[in-house]
Amino acid sequence: AQSVTQPDIHITVSEGASLELRCNYSYGATPYLFWYVQSPGQGLQLLLKYFSGDTLVQGIKGFEAEFKRSQSSFNLRKPSVHWSDAAEYFCAVGPGGYQGGKLIFGQGTELSVKP
Amino acid sequence: ETGVTQTPRHLVMGMTNKKSLKCEQHLGHNAMYWYKQSAKKPLELMFVYNFKEQTENNSVPSRFSPECPNSSHLFLHLHTLQPEDSALYLCASSQISQGRTDTQYFGPGTRLTVL
Repeated sequence: AQSVTQPDIHITVSEGASLELRCNYSYGATPYLFWYVQSPGQGLQLLLKYFSGDTLVQGIKGFEAEFKRSQSSFNLRKPSVHWSDAAEYFCAVGPGGYQGGKLIFGQGTELSVKP
Repeated sequence: ETGVTQTPRHLVMGMTNKKSLKCEQHLGHNAMYWYKQSAKKPLELMFVYNFKEQTENNSVPSRFSPECPNSSHLFLHLHTLQPEDSALYLCASSQISQGRTDTQYFGPGTRLTVL
């Protein structure tokens, strides 16, 4: 069965430190990959996406992610975290061809930023 | 208004009430979605509408009844809900072309509490 795993439920980093959030997926073909961010009481905002091409993708707010086919991973990174980055982050996978709109979400990683 | 809007933002209802959630997208998309987000659980896709036709019903109980009168509006009619239906209900929209789906854009959600 298709699945998305975000191994870290909660991560705390210091402001200015680097960040990496992990995402692993289980799917037979190359999927479409997304990272979304959700602030408390808000909907999901797209950070970045990977459909094809360059495996290192740049997103908004200084985030980037790298698709590694051999590891079935799509980890999110940011070189220097800001206090405003505190939120919940969701990795999502759309099956190959991404037909029918069936996005599968991970359970999310809550990021706390300490001063 | 831009993006995806949802009303109301908060709703408290008794188990015998009938209420409706409304979603409107201003992005010119042709597909709309309802998701349920419960605490500590991944987002659950409930319904997908493509060109006003329901293409996905993810085994949702009949007490949830969706309606999509046009590509810009989506409703979720609620009737005889249970306390475990309390959650954040998110609406999203995307463009589907030739069977391939582009990025989904989310509204801010309706926080539903069932007493």
